[in-house]
Amino acid sequence: ETGVTQSPTHLIKTRGQQVTLRCSSQSGHNTVSWYQQALGQGPQFIFQYYREEENGRGNFPPRFSGLQFPNYSSELNVNALELDDSALYLCASSDPGLAGGIGETQYFGPGTRLLVL
Amino acid sequence: QKEVEQDPGPLSVPEGAIVSLNCTYSNSAFQYFMWYRQYSRKGPELLMYTYSSGNKEDGRFTAQVDKSSKYISLFIRDSQPSDSATYLCAIDGNNRLAFGKGNQVVVIP
Repeated sequence: ETGVTQSPTHLIKTRGQQVTLRCSSQSGHNTVSWYQQALGQGPQFIFQYYREEENGRGNFPPRFSGLQFPNYSSELNVNALELDDSALYLCASSDPGLAGGIGETQYFGPGTRLLVL
Repeated sequence: QKEVEQDPGPLSVPEGAIVSLNCTYSNSAFQYFMWYRQYSRKGPELLMYTYSSGNKEDGRFTAQVDKSSKYISLFIRDSQPSDSATYLCAIDGNNRLAFGKGNQVVVIP
């Protein structure tokens, strides 16, 4: 177990609705990254938060937004849900300040499985 | 051109066989290379981590990076049924991981 937790584990929404997913990072980690994993695909980077600021974004539309809180937990919000948003949403925590070049190692939570009908 | 290419075909091997997985990548600036293992309905877990070129061994697992050909490999010796999972290669590119599509490996007892 990595110590990264996500909630909820499963979610069913309908097209056009909005959803909020939550992530608690591993203790001591100040960076949270979010990924979308469609069935049969590798995870795709959505964005990263470092010390409450967005620190990089992948090729996702603005209706995907996020927050990071002072305790380094994070939320992913998706507005105007589309059928193609159905996927496993993963968050990963890391600490770039760790010495020896291993700070970029990202530890993943179990994911939230979102189904959009 | 995708950043990371991994032939996503499934792989079935008998118990005890050597499993060989590989990926290619496009950006020669990448320095950190990982292999993640993902069991069904779980998040990926870090299996191996390599910096720059060379080999790294951890028990039955060996990761290889050849930066001259932009090729990364994972070998699993004496494969066990518990190794049945999806294996994802990943490269660390500027604060984010770029993943291959993954290989589903099934080790048959």
